[in-house]
Amino acid sequence: DGGITQSPKYLFRKEGQNVTLSCEQNLNHDAMYWYRQDPGQGLRLIYYSQIVNDFQKGDIAEGYSVSREKKESFPLTVTSAQKNPTAFYLCASNAGGSDTQYFGPGTRLTVL
Amino acid sequence: GENVEQHPSTLSVQEGDSAVIKCTYSDSASNYFPWYKQELGKGPQLIIDIRSNVGEKKDQRIAVTLNKTAKHFSLHITETQPEDSAVYFCAAIPTYKYIFGTGTRLKVLA
Repeated sequence: DGGITQSPKYLFRKEGQNVTLSCEQNLNHDAMYWYRQDPGQGLRLIYYSQIVNDFQKGDIAEGYSVSREKKESFPLTVTSAQKNPTAFYLCASNAGGSDTQYFGPGTRLTVL
Repeated sequence: GENVEQHPSTLSVQEGDSAVIKCTYSDSASNYFPWYKQELGKGPQLIIDIRSNVGEKKDQRIAVTLNKTAKHFSLHITETQPEDSAVYFCAAIPTYKYIFGTGTRLKVLA
């Protein structure tokens, strides 16, 4: 099956810890994105990458970091500097030359 | 700045009735307008999209209309069914970046 996978589905973190959320796609898409979703709100862009080994900050990048070492993988690290990390995190991708983004199933992060 | 306003925030309809969700965008450079359906605890799924050179697009019970002059676009769902209950998001894309609306929670009452 082609698609975007995110793991884990649920993640619990203690304050002060860094955690890494996984995003993998086998769609051969060039661009990948990370969004944060809070209850009752739209999606906010954290980071995006249009090609391997390159990425840019989105609207709310503070307290987050990413890497793009492989085309199919775009992990997101939520650092201890992120003051309010509890949220639903969504990864998306799109093919080069296409506007349409496809989303993964999401990871729900809860800080205890 | 760029923004997309979406209304209503919640919508309840009787099964079989129609539902309409409206979005207004600010960036006149926007040329692509997708609609996503998000079920509880899942990622958004693309249900229909429209480009700026088209005024209307239909796919079975779902249609989208676009008025570029007024910067409005709308999602129309006819003959609603309980499985249509979800949160619906619109988006406008001026370049690579998606500008999302805040979502509409649709409840279809059996």
